[in-house]
Amino acid sequence: GAGVSQSPSNKVTEKGKDVELRCDPISGHTALYWYRQSLGQGLEFLIYFQGNSAPDKSGLPSDRFSAERTGGSVSTLTIQRTQQEDSAVYLCASSLEQSNQPQHFGDGTRLSIL
Amino acid sequence: QQQVKQSPQSLIVQKGGISIINCAYENTAFDYFPWYQQFPGKGPALLIAIRPDVSEKKEGRFTISFNKSAKQFSLHIMDSQPGDSATYFCAASKGTYKYIFGTGTRLKVLA
Repeated sequence: GAGVSQSPSNKVTEKGKDVELRCDPISGHTALYWYRQSLGQGLEFLIYFQGNSAPDKSGLPSDRFSAERTGGSVSTLTIQRTQQEDSAVYLCASSLEQSNQPQHFGDGTRLSIL
Repeated sequence: QQQVKQSPQSLIVQKGGISIINCAYENTAFDYFPWYQQFPGKGPALLIAIRPDVSEKKEGRFTISFNKSAKQFSLHIMDSQPGDSATYFCAASKGTYKYIFGTGTRLKVLA
């Protein structure tokens, strides 16, 4: 079946602009996660959606970052007034609701802020 | 207490050799320990995972060894191949929740 789909695959924008990154999780996966991977670094947790529960936003680095998940499926990560330090690969993952289910990752959006 | 420490940062192994990557954690509440493989330009792909009630899990050439008392786990790649050259991440989580990732190990297998 189809995996996690992210778009766009690459995004180049000027400092100060807003960007929207999209994630289509695997069908039937109720849990959705956003991570950020800076060049040569590990993965940093940003936000977690689980079913109808309130999202865990504890990893968002500033109030310029926000995310929503509509209809329990597609999610959008929005970065307002982008800064150069926002340049990174933004990865989305999804999993089944049951405990200890593996997270399946998309190929990410590579964001470059000029 | 949320950190997962991974070593080495990089590793070079001859074809046919054994690659060993180690991770250590502090939070005893973690109950799921996956390993991911990432190729350039791609997202991480699940390689193998273990739960703390098991000391070892093997899938093909890949084995996880888990030491609950030492709070350590490791990935062994037997008969390493050039196609195994990638970045490997260990992670830990509790239930269905965010992963805490290690910082990654860049593996290069020489032909």
